[in-house]
Amino acid sequence: KQEVTQIPAALSVPEGENLVLNCSFTDSAIYNLQWFRQDPGKGLTSLLLIQSSQREQTSGRLNASLDKSSGRSTLYIAASQPGDSATYLCAVRWAGNQFYFGTGTSLTVIP
Amino acid sequence: GAVVSQHPSRVICKSGTSVKIECRSLDFQATTMFWYRQFPKQSLMLMATSNEGSKATYEQGVEKDKFLINHASLTLSTLTVTSAHPEDSSFYICSSRSSGANVLTFGAGSRLTVL
Repeated sequence: KQEVTQIPAALSVPEGENLVLNCSFTDSAIYNLQWFRQDPGKGLTSLLLIQSSQREQTSGRLNASLDKSSGRSTLYIAASQPGDSATYLCAVRWAGNQFYFGTGTSLTVIP
Repeated sequence: GAVVSQHPSRVICKSGTSVKIECRSLDFQATTMFWYRQFPKQSLMLMATSNEGSKATYEQGVEKDKFLINHASLTLSTLTVTSAHPEDSSFYICSSRSSGANVLTFGAGSRLTVL
């Protein structure tokens, strides 16, 4: 069964800290993995997409890594800001069209 | 970048009525559209996948006669919640990708409240 898990479910950090969000998945034969941000009551904003052949992707203060053999991806946020407060979701695509979503990590950055 | 416009963003309706939610791809051809629902503090659950011009494929446990999906053109897909009940109250989100693309683009979501 293909499942995606995110730990922790919630995280609270003081402004300026670097932090890591975790995503784990069963079945290493993924097609790609995508990280999203969701603000309360809003839709999803794509942050980073990692193809199965890639090890990491970077965008500004964000860095996403992928280790297929261990079934894990991490999202690293450098120098966190209050505006980073949101729920972060990872989604994994295996063969076919479907993306399977993790349960998300709710991040609060305290000013 | 690719944009998906979804509306209405919020809708309140009486029990027993039907509600239609629209998703439009503004600058690309959405060959595949995914419809998700999200309950409070939970992740997204895929309801159905639709391809332009063909019938939608529903996930197990999703009633196709209750959640009608139409993907009649490459830029428009609709989800109609028929005979809505309070337990259908949820956040519905569409997403799309163009042919050959890897990135999912999401609409802003529609919050349905059934009284």
